[in-house]
Amino acid sequence: GQQLNQSPQSMFIQEGEDVSMNCTSSSIFNTWLWYKQDPGEGPVLLIALYKAGELTSNGRLTAQFGITRKDSFLNISASIPSDVGIYFCAGQLSGGGADGLTFGKGTHLIIQP
Amino acid sequence: ETGVTQSPTHLIKTRGQQVTLRCSSQSGHNTVSWYQQALGQGPQFIFQYYREEENGRGNFPPRFSGLQFPNYSSELNVNALELDDSALYLCASRSPSTDTQYFGPGTRLTVL
Repeated sequence: GQQLNQSPQSMFIQEGEDVSMNCTSSSIFNTWLWYKQDPGEGPVLLIALYKAGELTSNGRLTAQFGITRKDSFLNISASIPSDVGIYFCAGQLSGGGADGLTFGKGTHLIIQP
Repeated sequence: ETGVTQSPTHLIKTRGQQVTLRCSSQSGHNTVSWYQQALGQGPQFIFQYYREEENGRGNFPPRFSGLQFPNYSSELNVNALELDDSALYLCASRSPSTDTQYFGPGTRLTVL
């Protein structure tokens, strides 16, 4: 099935560093979402974006919905050990629609103490 | 915690068998979706149920079927299991106010 192009695939950083990851698509989405998944758990919603150009923050996390509606990025400032995990972007075509979410393959964040 | 629960947590089946997975959605969420997540991949959309009817489906064969009940809980049934069906199966309920999907912890299915 279709998947979004998410990069980087993995990141090895030092605690305290800032992190940036992004997601691109050949299709337009009306909603972009960022999830974090820990081993053996389901994805947990971090940030939801509903309008092109929208910039939204949630604590140390900031995400933006690209103007073209074909991309999004997620930044994490001053990383801490509990930020370790896999981050997924997801796009949804239509509000309230029955199309489901299209996910990227994930960015695996590893923090070295 | 999202309020979405799934059972069982883990399951082992053999090829050709049938399996039923269960999901209880968050209170007030009347739309439930199911996703399959293979190891190292992002979740893939299987189908969605709204008011007890399937109203959206991804690229999965008919042997993947489901039900939604009046209390909005849901089941995913998979017939004639294949080795490639081994995956984490995730249920998500959709908030009617924000249209955002919240995931349960998943059921890990292993097909031998």
